[in-house]
Amino acid sequence: SAVISQKPSRDICQRGTSLTIQCQVDSQVTMMFWYRQQPGQSLTLIATANQGSEATYESGFVIDKFPISRPNLTFSTLTVSNMSPEDSSIYLCSVVGQPNQPQHFGDGTRLSIL
Amino acid sequence: QKEVEQNSGPLSVPEGAIASLNCTYSDRVSQSFFWYRQYSGKSPELIMSIYSNGDKEDGRFTAQLNKASQYVSLLIRDSQPSDSATYLCAAETGGNTPLVFGKGTRLSVIA
Repeated sequence: SAVISQKPSRDICQRGTSLTIQCQVDSQVTMMFWYRQQPGQSLTLIATANQGSEATYESGFVIDKFPISRPNLTFSTLTVSNMSPEDSSIYLCSVVGQPNQPQHFGDGTRLSIL
Repeated sequence: QKEVEQNSGPLSVPEGAIASLNCTYSDRVSQSFFWYRQYSGKSPELIMSIYSNGDKEDGRFTAQLNKASQYVSLLIRDSQPSDSATYLCAAETGGNTPLVFGKGTRLSVIA
């Protein structure tokens, strides 16, 4: 399966600031997704990152808070904007290499907001 | 609303025993099912996928799917302490649509 690199692996940020998380894959992939995992919880989909167009957001997530880019088939970014302590979570990038293959996850970004 | 339900556990089994993890899903359109293992502080790792009714075996792992009952299970034979982790069940309606995850079952294998 594809090698997925996610940066940063962790960060501690101040309230009100923004952080951009990068997801780089070593090969072209069909689909890229961004998930959030709050402490002690399961994974919640934030959005599907669409190559060359606006991301598709799930209910409860908006572009102003979580802008996403996907300029090509190997790279995507998620920005967490105007952060508050409630945004403290693990943010995970996942990819589908080829159509109808399972999703695989990056190592995640552990984000803490003070 | 699409839901995937799992018993949160913890499920404790002795080393060498069979661990049985269960999952039900609400959306009958779901076609593909996955089990991910997540160690504490790590990201989910795919261990099994199953797409048709019946059993699918891979080493010590067996996934079982019953679409009529909307039920998926994972059996781990000869459980090892290294199997101690949270196991996440996920469903997909097909065509690489986003996964719907259960809350996960925490498994503890006691040496």
